[in-house]
Amino acid sequence: DAGVTQSPTHLIKTRGQHVTLRCSPISGHKSVSWYQQVLGQGPQFIFQYYEKEERGRGNFPDRFSARQFPNYSSELNVNALLLGDSALYLCASSATQTRWGTDTQYFGPGTRLTVL
Amino acid sequence: AQSVTQPDIHITVSEGASLELRCNYSYGATPYLFWYVQSPGQGLQLLLKYFSGDTLVQGIKGFEAEFKRSQSSFNLRKPSVHWSDAAEYFCAVAAGYSSASKIIFGSGTRLSIRP
Repeated sequence: DAGVTQSPTHLIKTRGQHVTLRCSPISGHKSVSWYQQVLGQGPQFIFQYYEKEERGRGNFPDRFSARQFPNYSSELNVNALLLGDSALYLCASSATQTRWGTDTQYFGPGTRLTVL
Repeated sequence: AQSVTQPDIHITVSEGASLELRCNYSYGATPYLFWYVQSPGQGLQLLLKYFSGDTLVQGIKGFEAEFKRSQSSFNLRKPSVHWSDAAEYFCAVAAGYSSASKIIFGSGTRLSIRP
C-alpha cells in the first residue's frame, strides 16, 4: 500500500507570493495533519482535519489555511509568504481522530519550501 | 503546557556500541509518547509508541524505550548501533485538547556513527 504522498517535493517562491501544498493520505485514513519543520527544529503542529472539518489549529497566523476534500486529500495554503516560512512542510495521516492522539500518525516525505 | 525536552543536540557513538537517547516530557495526564526517526531529506518514521501497559516498549529496527513516570522520561535505547542508524531522532507526546489531537515534538537529537 502507498504511504502518505506529498507534492511538490521542492518549491521556490519569493516573498509576498502564495503557495499551495498537497497531501494524499494513506488509503482509508480520514484524518490529515500538517506540520512545519524549520531547519534544526522539531516539527510544529499547524492544522488537523478530520472528515473535511478543521479539528485543531496551532499557533500560526491567518496567512496559513487548509482544507480537506471528500477523498480525504488535503491542501495547505500559505499567503503573503515571508522568509521565515522557509521550511519542510510535513503531512501526516491517521485512520481516525481521537481526542488524546492515540491513533498513530504516519508522515509523508514533506515539501521543502524555500522563500527568497 | 505540554512540552518535550531532548537534552542532547548531537551524539556520536561507535558502530556496534550501545545507544541511549534521552527524552523528558511535561504533561498533566497520562502521556502518549512516541519516538520518530528522520533521515536526511526524509519524512518521519515511527519507531515505537507508548500508550499504556508494559513500560518497556519494543519498536522497529531493534529499538526499545522505557517509560518512567517518576522521572517523566521516555529514553530510547539500542544495544548495538549500525551505520544506517545515523539520523535525527525525535521524541514526541500526543496532546489532546478540545476535539483535536496533535503531536508535540522535541527539538531532536542528531545521531552520528563512528566507523
